Amino acid sequence: EAQVTQNPRYLITVTGKKLTVTCSQNMNHEYMSWYRQDPGLGLRQIYYSMNVEVTDKGDVPEGYKVSRKEKRNFPLILESPSPNQTSLYFCASSLRGGGGGTDTQYFGPGTRLTVL
Amino acid sequence: DAKTTQPPSMDCAEGRAANLPCNHSTISGNEYVYWYRQIHSQGPQYIIHGLKNNETNEMASLIITEDRKSSTLILPHATLRDTAVYYCIVRPNNNDMRFGAGTRLTVKP
Repeated sequence: EAQVTQNPRYLITVTGKKLTVTCSQNMNHEYMSWYRQDPGLGLRQIYYSMNVEVTDKGDVPEGYKVSRKEKRNFPLILESPSPNQTSLYFCASSLRGGGGGTDTQYFGPGTRLTVL
Repeated sequence: DAKTTQPPSMDCAEGRAANLPCNHSTISGNEYVYWYRQIHSQGPQYIIHGLKNNETNEMASLIITEDRKSSTLILPHATLRDTAVYYCIVRPNNNDMRFGAGTRLTVKP
């Protein structure tokens, strides 16, 4: 089944303790992206990757890192989490990025992160 | 980026058609209109997209006005499981999806 998976689905951690949220897709998609969703602010893009070893900042990249060493995986790294990073995080992928109107993004199930 | 305007909420009776409007008056000629929905706190789910012509798939129909300044998503026979937040997105020429507040559709028995 074609899908985007995220792990963990739920995470409670403390300020300053490094964590990684994994994202994997099995559709051979070139483009992957991370979003966070907060009440009243909607979905905002954190980072995206057009292909292996190509990443770029989205609208809210501060406090986050990403890497794209393999096509299928796009982990989100919080090196020193803070309470303002408590949020619902979504990973998404599409066949390719960069334009064209018919490239649909597929979203993962979400990771609910709480930083105490 | 073209911005979209959607009503914050709508109700629909189960079994009836749900018509969700979206205004995108500043849309550019090469920008597509996409619709996604988000059920509770699940990941957004793709519904349909279009450029100029009306489109239909197994989930919904998309009606785009001739001047492309507005569109309507139609769920022909709404069910309780269609209760969700529906996002109308006009996609710029990168791959970023700029989600607004959407319309919270409540399907009532």
